Amino acid sequence: GENVEQHPSTLSVQEGDSAVIKCTYSDSASNYFPWYKQELGKRPQLIIDIRSNVGEKKDQRIAVTLNKTAKHFSLHITETQPEDSAVYFCAASTGGSNYKLTFGKGTLLTVNP
Amino acid sequence: DADVTQTPRNRITKTGKRIMLECSQTKGHDRMYWYRQDPGLGLRLIYYSFDVKDINKGEISDGYSVSRQAQAKFSLSLESAIPNQTALYFCATSLGAGNTEAFFGQGTRLTVV
Repeated sequence: GENVEQHPSTLSVQEGDSAVIKCTYSDSASNYFPWYKQELGKRPQLIIDIRSNVGEKKDQRIAVTLNKTAKHFSLHITETQPEDSAVYFCAASTGGSNYKLTFGKGTLLTVNP
Repeated sequence: DADVTQTPRNRITKTGKRIMLECSQTKGHDRMYWYRQDPGLGLRLIYYSFDVKDINKGEISDGYSVSRQAQAKFSLSLESAIPNQTALYFCATSLGAGNTEAFFGQGTRLTVV
């Protein structure tokens, strides 16, 4: 089955700096890569996703890049703010009739004011 | 707003007891999932169901069973709870075939003593 590795497990940045979280996946058939944000005590919520026919996607201060050849994808957060502090999870799915998400182990991002 | 609702939100139970966690959704989604979250281990899939007659094991199904009572209801049971099943459990739903966003419930924090 699919295996998703996520790094780093913790990341601390100063407010205004950029943060990058990286994930690799094992199944070359995976074609959907979402990122979820989980604030303390809350449920995970989708913040951005990318499909395999796209190399990069951006939404305001967050962006995701995908390298299918290397089987890795990354989340980029620019101009970080204290409210960006949370656990971030990457995930991968092969989609279709057997759609199910395999998650990475998460990255705890702390943005220091 | 359409939502995914889990009950109970918190539960403490004794080793050897049978316990059921319930999930209901008003999103009209066909697909439902049970995940377990442990610190440092991310979200791991326990069981998933694509419709009322379809039940599939995830990566960590041992010690758990599920029931899909209706399109909107998906229950997770621990037949004989053990302490290492202490975790945060999330139910999630998604729309259907293809790669789409997963919506999570609020979570159930289960402690087995």
